[in-house]
Amino acid sequence: NAGVTQTPKFRVLKTGQSMTLLCAQDMNHEYMYWYRQDPGMGLRLIHYSVGEGTTAKGEVPDGYNVSRLKKQNFLLGLESAAPSQTSVYFCASSQNPPSYNEQFFGPGTRLTVL
Amino acid sequence: RKEVEQDPGPFNVPEGATVAFNCTYSNSASQSFFWYRQDCRKEPKLLMSVYSSGNEDGRFTAQLNRASQYISLLIRDSKLSDSATYLCALSGGYNKLIFGAGTRLAVHP
Repeated sequence: NAGVTQTPKFRVLKTGQSMTLLCAQDMNHEYMYWYRQDPGMGLRLIHYSVGEGTTAKGEVPDGYNVSRLKKQNFLLGLESAAPSQTSVYFCASSQNPPSYNEQFFGPGTRLTVL
Repeated sequence: RKEVEQDPGPFNVPEGATVAFNCTYSNSASQSFFWYRQDCRKEPKLLMSVYSSGNEDGRFTAQLNRASQYISLLIRDSKLSDSATYLCALSGGYNKLIFGAGTRLAVHP
């Protein structure tokens, strides 16, 4: 049981390049989330999904797209990377509400955009 | 005003000390509150949920003060292994978490 995994762990992009970050979970969780963490700002929600085939915007969605074609995978895409997207990206998953269920985080992807 | 605010620290304390962190929130309708621990360059992990009646887990005690809109975390008998960043969070719809920027704790011998 690997929990939540993220691919890749590190990446360096040039401005304007595109890439996709992959998040996979093996806990059969319905809900998945993408956050970014910048120094002094905590984690901020980019997009989230409440089930296969669904996505919704979070606090900072601009410049990102997501897809949830399979329940276990949640992809985060950057179509045209900008230096402002240099950050650490965390994926997380949780079971369904109504009661709160703990979010389990992946190990993160460190992205640098030059 | 940020929705969740924390003192960034660092709090430098000796082993065995008691240390407390507060976290204030602006949305009085918030229902669920949490403390996460994050080690350097690692992912956050749930430390404890914060209930209205307060809760305790070993050396850790969490309290919620709805009237003043803050939550607190008390760590007794600090260990070197407690050195980390402590993030407070509140839950919005769909289990979405809103995080504070974190408080850094450094426990020294």
